[in-house]
Amino acid sequence: EAGVTQFPSHSVIEKGQTVTLRCDPISGHDNLYWYRRVMGKEIKFLLHFVKESKQDESGMPNNRFLAERTGGTYSTLKVQPAELEDSGVYFCASSQGWRGPGYTDTQYFGPGTRLTVL
Amino acid sequence: RKEVEQDPGPFNVPEGATVAFNCTYSNSASQSFFWYRQDCRKEPKLLMSVYSSGNEDGRFTAQLNRASQYISLLIRDSKLSDSATYLCVVIPLPHNNDMRFGAGTRLTVKP
Repeated sequence: EAGVTQFPSHSVIEKGQTVTLRCDPISGHDNLYWYRRVMGKEIKFLLHFVKESKQDESGMPNNRFLAERTGGTYSTLKVQPAELEDSGVYFCASSQGWRGPGYTDTQYFGPGTRLTVL
Repeated sequence: RKEVEQDPGPFNVPEGATVAFNCTYSNSASQSFFWYRQDCRKEPKLLMSVYSSGNEDGRFTAQLNRASQYISLLIRDSKLSDSATYLCVVIPLPHNNDMRFGAGTRLTVKP
């Protein structure tokens, strides 16, 4: 079974440009999450989709970030315009979703997109 | 105060050693707890969930102390392949899957 995939693996852009990151979750996973790690800091939650709906976007840093998951399959995260402090590794994760008492929903991570803003 | 705090290390230990990592969390209502492992420039991978009664998986033992808001991971008989960063992860809200990560503890196992 294919894991979570992300594209591109690396992106180098200039300040002010736009970048769109893509995540394909594991097939059948309802939950999709975006996280990011900036240099020297811990991985931080950005937002969480359940199917096509945003369950929680409290971690999105500002309105330059826009995430979508049309049709409840793959998701995109667009940064427009990019700033220097947006540099970091953006991880996507997916999970099946709650399946009942005693079930631990495991999140599986993609390899990440390394974004560098110059 | 950070939501999840870990000793960043690094821990440098010889093969065969026993090593323990600690983690504290700030939200007393936190529901779920995990240890993830992350190799250099790779994605985090689930090592084990942490249950209230404590749990063991081979050489790895995880403990949870809700009263002290403290989680631990013990690795026995360390292998070279255990070298990685170990991430303490907490889900702070009920009915919610959004994970909060510690900064990680770096372990290097040497021959």
